[in-house]
Amino acid sequence: GAGVSQTPSNKVTEKGKYVELRCDPISGHTALYWYRQSLGQGPEFLIYFQGTGAADDSGLPNDRFFAVRPEGSVSTLKIQRTERGDSAVYLCASSSGLNTEAFFGQGTRLTVV
Amino acid sequence: RKEVEQDPGPFNVPEGATVAFNCTYSNSASQSFFWYRQDCRKEPKLLMSVYSSGNEDGRFTAQLNRASQYISLLIRDSKLSDSATYLCVVRQFDYKLSFGAGTTVTVRA
Repeated sequence: GAGVSQTPSNKVTEKGKYVELRCDPISGHTALYWYRQSLGQGPEFLIYFQGTGAADDSGLPNDRFFAVRPEGSVSTLKIQRTERGDSAVYLCASSSGLNTEAFFGQGTRLTVV
Repeated sequence: RKEVEQDPGPFNVPEGATVAFNCTYSNSASQSFFWYRQDCRKEPKLLMSVYSSGNEDGRFTAQLNRASQYISLLIRDSKLSDSATYLCVVRQFDYKLSFGAGTTVTVRA
């Protein structure tokens, strides 16, 4: 596709359930980022991939959060035992290099009830 | 202390006015600087990069002051379509992007 694609666009889940959020970056982009944005706040860094490896996962809030990018393209953010505080918009971005523009997907709005 | 801090606004200005706002960053080793624009319930999009010498893009002017660690954005001749949240973004260590909480601008007719 032409841009970063995220699915689903909306996800409502019950507290305690497991969810997976998918990001399909722009073709050829080696760098991939996950961010989380709460209402009235700027995006908060979660994890950064360069190729298949997580170069920096220092933003993951706890061990319930995990992300993979097995083939260096599509990435999945996985959240176990969801809590109401996990409710936010999860944004994915990709870029072609270290110092180039990052393009964002439209995000997945996660609501934990 | 947050890595990037912005005046949240809101700035409510009439069409044609000039509006300016700043952000400050804490890490003196920050590499690159940007302004992103975010419309309500949409994803952030790059507005412009910010260079040390200052730069313009049409009605938008960005300035960087490394000594004082602040970045500014000025919008001239405001249009209704400029209403948005403007995010100050700082790149750390050549990859990690740190965002401010955003400055809300509303341009009224």
